[in-house]
Amino acid sequence: GESVGLHLPTLSVQEGDNSIINCAYSNSASDYFIWYKQESGKGPQFIIDIRSNMDKRQGQRVTVLLNKTVKHLSLQIAATQPGDSAVYFCAENRNSGNTPLVFGKGTRLSVIA
Amino acid sequence: DSGVTQTPKHLITATGQRVTLRCSPRSGDLSVYWYQQSLDQGLQFLIQYYNGEERAKGNILERFSAQQFPDLHSELNLSSLELGDSALYFCASSVIAGGPWGDTQYFGPGTRLTVL
Repeated sequence: GESVGLHLPTLSVQEGDNSIINCAYSNSASDYFIWYKQESGKGPQFIIDIRSNMDKRQGQRVTVLLNKTVKHLSLQIAATQPGDSAVYFCAENRNSGNTPLVFGKGTRLSVIA
Repeated sequence: DSGVTQTPKHLITATGQRVTLRCSPRSGDLSVYWYQQSLDQGLQFLIQYYNGEERAKGNILERFSAQQFPDLHSELNLSSLELGDSALYFCASSVIAGGPWGDTQYFGPGTRLTVL
């Protein structure tokens, strides 16, 4: 079942290529950012996070970049696989976390085999 | 699997009815958050509990209420249901270790509520 908004930006990527998903945030006081992956009918799944005292963080096949000057966050997925097809949300948090997340609208990633 | 469990997975009910959604946080997590996800609104924060006490409130309707019990599980009660309440309801949990940075929120699989 569909669980996300109808009018999401969509990114189509060839299998094996790198994907870059972007997110703009509005609150300069936000100091903690998380990327979530949501597959159809499932809950958001944590991918990677970054604190505002960093500008880059790497995980397994994923990298998050934070540009506080322009309030921009990006998620890079290396060697995109069919299993990466999902909706990706960025979320921001203020007061060093432990407070409700504010979610972006999401981007749908479609991987073309 | 995030370790957060939610029941039921699906719920179909009629307008005017009342339902209760249940969430069990990850072992050791003290804080529970409830979010609503609908097609046109995205993920919206409803309410947060920490160790049994309400900690933050979002756009939660007066017809909705929640509580967190001594064993840390939480229930979200939705009453006088309307068609527009049909949505996915997610609970998330975090530990809140008290350090300088916050702790990641992990989401459950959600409850899909359909109001007919």
